[in-house]
Amino acid sequence: DAKTTQPPSMDCAEGRAANLPCNHSTISGNEYVYWYRQIHSQGPQYIIHGLKNNETNEMASLIITEDRKSSTLILPHATLRDTAVYYCIVPGNAGGTSYGKLTFGQGTILTVHP
Amino acid sequence: EPEVTQTPSHQVTQMGQEVILRCVPISNHLYFYWYRQILGQKVEFLVSFYNNEISEKSEIFDDQFSVERPDGSNFTLKIRSTKLEDSAMYFCASSEHQFSNQPQHFGDGTRLSIL
Repeated sequence: DAKTTQPPSMDCAEGRAANLPCNHSTISGNEYVYWYRQIHSQGPQYIIHGLKNNETNEMASLIITEDRKSSTLILPHATLRDTAVYYCIVPGNAGGTSYGKLTFGQGTILTVHP
Repeated sequence: EPEVTQTPSHQVTQMGQEVILRCVPISNHLYFYWYRQILGQKVEFLVSFYNNEISEKSEIFDDQFSVERPDGSNFTLKIRSTKLEDSAMYFCASSEHQFSNQPQHFGDGTRLSIL
């Protein structure tokens, strides 16, 4: 799995955009970038994933740099319920030795405050 | 929206006893996974399962652990003789296809407490 680096913690004001960065400089050409979050020991929740193009869904946007060595998860209007640990993960390429296990790092603790 | 369900939400077991954790993956998903998270630590991969076979397992998944899909809907994790260090949250996940472009969806976990 490609190694990812995330800041240990970030703060955001309620209603503002939260921009969570992730570095994945060793990513290979066909590996996806995934974002999950975990709210207080609940199961990890899938947020979004992408390969090359920017992606948007009802939860968030994912901006991937052109060289694919970093990405940013954007929560456009953060709420108190978005307080969680956010994980950026680049899983192994299925078809090789990995069948898709996710390797969780420490993630970024996002605290949304009023 | 379909979701992965896990039962029980909390299991308390005496050390040395067998425990079975149950999961119902999303119905059209073909790949199944177990992870665990010891309190205060990272989520760790245990095992992946496809077509009634283990696809990959971690070093944690030793002979005390086994997985089974006993019927068309359930996916179980058995710990044969529990140890104190097996106390953790256990998460089941499933994905529709082999992973590279298909997300895994997680259940809310079973908290296993070994006394």
